[in-house]
Amino acid sequence: SQQGEEDPQALSIQEGENATMNCSYKTSINNLQWYRQNSGRGLVHLILIRSNEREKHSGRLRVTLDTSKKSSSLLITASRAADTASYFCATDAGANFGNEKLTFGTGTRLTIIP
Amino acid sequence: NAGVTQTPKFRVLKTGQSMTLLCAQDMNHEYMYWYRQDPGMGLRLIHYSVGEGTTAKGEVPDGYNVSRLKKQNFLLGLESAAPSQTSVYFCASSRFWETQYFGPGTRLLVL
Repeated sequence: SQQGEEDPQALSIQEGENATMNCSYKTSINNLQWYRQNSGRGLVHLILIRSNEREKHSGRLRVTLDTSKKSSSLLITASRAADTASYFCATDAGANFGNEKLTFGTGTRLTIIP
Repeated sequence: NAGVTQTPKFRVLKTGQSMTLLCAQDMNHEYMYWYRQDPGMGLRLIHYSVGEGTTAKGEVPDGYNVSRLKKQNFLLGLESAAPSQTSVYFCASSRFWETQYFGPGTRLLVL
């Protein structure tokens, strides 16, 4: 079963605009991660946010986590054509079951229009 | 460093044939994973290993076997391929938990 579900499934924006995608999950977690996948390639880790953190930044990326709502958002500011990719959230199994495994959502397909 | 490599990149099998996918990592990572990715399904964990000589089942283990005889290698076997195993297979590794590093994938078509 999918722990994380991304929303929207697909998003198209103009270059230079901001892109926001959301992830909801079902059970408690230790960490939540975001990954990017360019077409036909493997996933690349973007950022990890721990359950006791509310916001984290990395370059043009901003991630928020709301554990009370079991949701996270990924904001990409000043988008570029190279940001065109699929974005996945991934969650671990929480304190009771360890965090050696990740469960990935179905992803958001982001298209940046030049 | 090559990171995580996967062999082969693409393979076509007939139903009932067997094959082994090889994953190698040169980062001295303890944990290794095999996933499959199907359209609209995201990544699903097949098997994983938390150290040399250990393996464990993931979400969709049926029809697959794995071995981790050496720390740097993680093999995924299909004993009798079925069309439902047509997919893209990704291997990943991590030092312990947290960040996973992915290989480029293996595209498998079972006819």
